[in-house]
Amino acid sequence: GENVEQHPSTLSVQEGDSAVIKCTYSDSASNYFPWYKQELGKRPQLIIDIRSNVGEKKDQRIAVTLNKTAKHFSLHITETQPEDSAVYFCAASQEGSARQLTFGSGTQLTVLP
Amino acid sequence: DAMVIQNPRYQVTQFGKPVTLSCSQTLNHNVMYWYQQKSSQAPKLLFHYYDKDFNNEADTPDNFQSRRPNTSFCFLDIRSPGLGDAAMYLCATSSRLAGHEQYFGPGTRLTVT
Repeated sequence: GENVEQHPSTLSVQEGDSAVIKCTYSDSASNYFPWYKQELGKRPQLIIDIRSNVGEKKDQRIAVTLNKTAKHFSLHITETQPEDSAVYFCAASQEGSARQLTFGSGTQLTVLP
Repeated sequence: DAMVIQNPRYQVTQFGKPVTLSCSQTLNHNVMYWYQQKSSQAPKLLFHYYDKDFNNEADTPDNFQSRRPNTSFCFLDIRSPGLGDAAMYLCATSSRLAGHEQYFGPGTRLTVT
């Protein structure tokens, strides 16, 4: 089965700086990679996703890059704000598959004012 | 607004006393999932329904059961809760037509005393 590793487990940055979270996956059949943000006590919310036919996707301050050859993908948050503080989970899946959403272990991001 | 609803948000049960958590959705999605999330960990898939077809994860304990009486509702039954079952239980839905992007409910925090 799929295995997703996520690093770092905790990340502290100063407000305005950039944050990068990295994930690797094992199953070359995976082709859909969502990122979820989970604030304390709240539901995971999809913030951005990327499919394997795309190398990079950007949405305002958030971007995701994918390297299929190396089987890794990264989340980049620029101009971080205190409200970006949360746990971020990467995941891997085969698009169209109803079951195979494998999560990484999560990164606690803290943005220091 | 279309959404995923979970009731109750907080549930306290006694060791060994059966408990049922509920999930409903107004998204008309054909797939519904149950995840268990323990503190500081990633969500762990317990099982999912693809339409009426039940799909159990191999490592989901027999203590956990699920029912889906119709498209909108899905229930998680814990037959004999143990202290180790205390967790956040997340319901999610997805639709084949939407590429199976998963939408999470707010979760039910289960405490076992």
